Amino acid sequence: NAGVMQNPRHLVRRRGQEARLRCSPMKGHSHVYWYRQLPEEGLKFMVYLQKENIIDESGMPKERFSAEFPKEGPSILRIQQVVRGDSAAYFCASSERNTGELFFGEGSRLTVL
Amino acid sequence: QKEVEQDPGPLSVPEGAIVSLNCTYSNSAFQYFMWYRQYSRKGPELLMYTYSSGNKEDGRFTAQVDKSSKYISLFIRDSQPSDSATYLCAMSALGGNDYKLSFGAGTTVTVRA
Repeated sequence: NAGVMQNPRHLVRRRGQEARLRCSPMKGHSHVYWYRQLPEEGLKFMVYLQKENIIDESGMPKERFSAEFPKEGPSILRIQQVVRGDSAAYFCASSERNTGELFFGEGSRLTVL
Repeated sequence: QKEVEQDPGPLSVPEGAIVSLNCTYSNSAFQYFMWYRQYSRKGPELLMYTYSSGNKEDGRFTAQVDKSSKYISLFIRDSQPSDSATYLCAMSALGGNDYKLSFGAGTTVTVRA
């Protein structure tokens, strides 16, 4: 009965490289959400996806960031040409419906050197 | 002004004490109010979920919502060392997008044995 699985747990990138963060939702959940937690700040909503569809990406930066949730496989948050300001913890959550409790993963901590 | 304000603490209390946590918010559209607990290097875990104003009790935890004052509270009775964590308040509006949670920055609590 695995929860939301995220990997890698820790990722170090140099400025200009790409970061890929993966999230497998809880079994039976088809709704996936990405949140970002910057130091000393609350979690901020980034994007909401269902299988093969982006439902709401209003919290995602317009450039360098993209997300997908393919028919098969995990959801992926991709950050191109990373900058130091992208250093944060990225949390994925999933839910059974588009309302109700969100179950969070343990996060992926990105450090940009 | 942040949409959700939460005193970051840290808060240190002796075992058995009552822990009092609170958040204020500015968006009058918020109708759903939650408290999450986050242990170090882990993901947020839902503790309490309330809708609109009023009190809700669950074991040693009591959540209060005062919409007229835009103020929510969480009380932990008979606190235990295992309650040591960061507590995050979160809230969302009606309208089908209650997955878009607005979080406080979190209050770090240490319960001393």
